[in-house]
Amino acid sequence: AQTVTQSQPEMSVQEAETVTLSCTYDTSESDYYLFWYKQPPSRQMILVIRQEAYKQQNATENRFSVNFQKAAKSFSLKISDSQLGDAAMYFCAYRASGGSNYKLTFGKGTLLTVNP
Amino acid sequence: EAGVVQSPRYKIIEKKQPVAFWCNPISGHNTLYWYLQNLGQGPELLIRYENEEAVDDSQLPKDRFSAERLKGVDSTLKIQPAELGDSAVYLCASSSRTSGRIDTQYFGPGTRLTVL
Repeated sequence: AQTVTQSQPEMSVQEAETVTLSCTYDTSESDYYLFWYKQPPSRQMILVIRQEAYKQQNATENRFSVNFQKAAKSFSLKISDSQLGDAAMYFCAYRASGGSNYKLTFGKGTLLTVNP
Repeated sequence: EAGVVQSPRYKIIEKKQPVAFWCNPISGHNTLYWYLQNLGQGPELLIRYENEEAVDDSQLPKDRFSAERLKGVDSTLKIQPAELGDSAVYLCASSSRTSGRIDTQYFGPGTRLTVL
């Protein structure tokens, strides 16, 4: 069974600084998708960034980028120029590709605090 | 475009009472998911619908939980009778594979259930 591990329950960063959130996963599949979701206190899960495992190039979305290391099964999220609005719980998620398995497997989350 | 709508946002009930949650997915999304999120955890899939068919309900506790998606649009998740351990946030998500390989799941704001 696939598992997703986020080893940092909490992280903090100063406004305008850079922070990296860690995520590792376990799978025997060769093709899959990885996601980072953000969940503010309002609870609405918002997609931050996604990565297809067959693509070697790391995904980027404005201030958010990932470091995808397929061999190490690592998928970290880097937030540059952190803003107060980035404060939230961040979840890493895995989904196998193909077939009928659409299930997202989530990690336990990392609570990010942004200090002014 | 409107997002996934859920109601109610909060519900407090006595144990052994029934409760129902409603979800309206993003227009045109044929896949609908119900997730359970316990405090301090990532969401876990309860059931997935493709149009009106429940194609993955292996994690749904069928002795007390039921769900339906009439006409393949709105969905209702019901618990009868509720137990103390059912206190959690119930998230609804929807997706549509209109193009590309990834069908990203978009989440609603959730319903926070408290069972007393």
